Amino acid sequence: KNQVEQSPQSLIILEGKNCTLQCNYTVSPFSNLRWYKQDTGRGPVSLTIMTFSENTKSNGRYTATLDADTKQSSLHITASQLSDSASYICVVSDQGGKLIFGQGTELSVKP
Amino acid sequence: DTGVSQDPRHKITKRGQNVTFRCDPISEHNRLYWYRQTLGQGPEFLTYFQNEAQLEKSRLLSDRFSAERPKGSFSTLEIQRTEQGDSAMYLCASSLKGGPRNYEQYFGPGTRLTVT
Repeated sequence: KNQVEQSPQSLIILEGKNCTLQCNYTVSPFSNLRWYKQDTGRGPVSLTIMTFSENTKSNGRYTATLDADTKQSSLHITASQLSDSASYICVVSDQGGKLIFGQGTELSVKP
Repeated sequence: DTGVSQDPRHKITKRGQNVTFRCDPISEHNRLYWYRQTLGQGPEFLTYFQNEAQLEKSRLLSDRFSAERPKGSFSTLEIQRTEQGDSAMYLCASSLKGGPRNYEQYFGPGTRLTVT
């Protein structure tokens, strides 16, 4: 069964600190992996997208990694800001374009 | 183009009433998707269209749910005889088949449904 699992479920960090979110998947055939940021009450917004051959991609303070052999990805946030408080969703696409969503990690950045 | 839009943003209805939501995708996108998201969970796929054809429906889409995309542009999602379990955020996304951003889905802001 195609699944995407994320950890931790929730995370609280102090402003300015770094954090890393994890994603494991069992999706086949794999096409790409995306990380989305979803603010409360809003739709998800894409942060990064990586194909099978890419193992790291950055978007400002966000850096995503992908290990296609172990089927793991991580999202690293550097120098966190209060506005980073959101849900971060790992999404894997199969080759037909279907998205399989993780349940998200709820990040709270405190001053 | 300002992206995917959804209307209304919030809807409160009484159990048993019918509701209809609208989604306007990015204009050149030929695929349109509907998802449902409950609190603390990732979105769950409901259905998608390629142009006006509804190509796939999830088993989550009971017979009380119907979606249309009559002219291959905007789409509507109707829920008949709403139940409290239908309370959720309903997200719409659109994508373009082919090209450098093949299948990348862009999400709308969602419609928050509350059934009392």
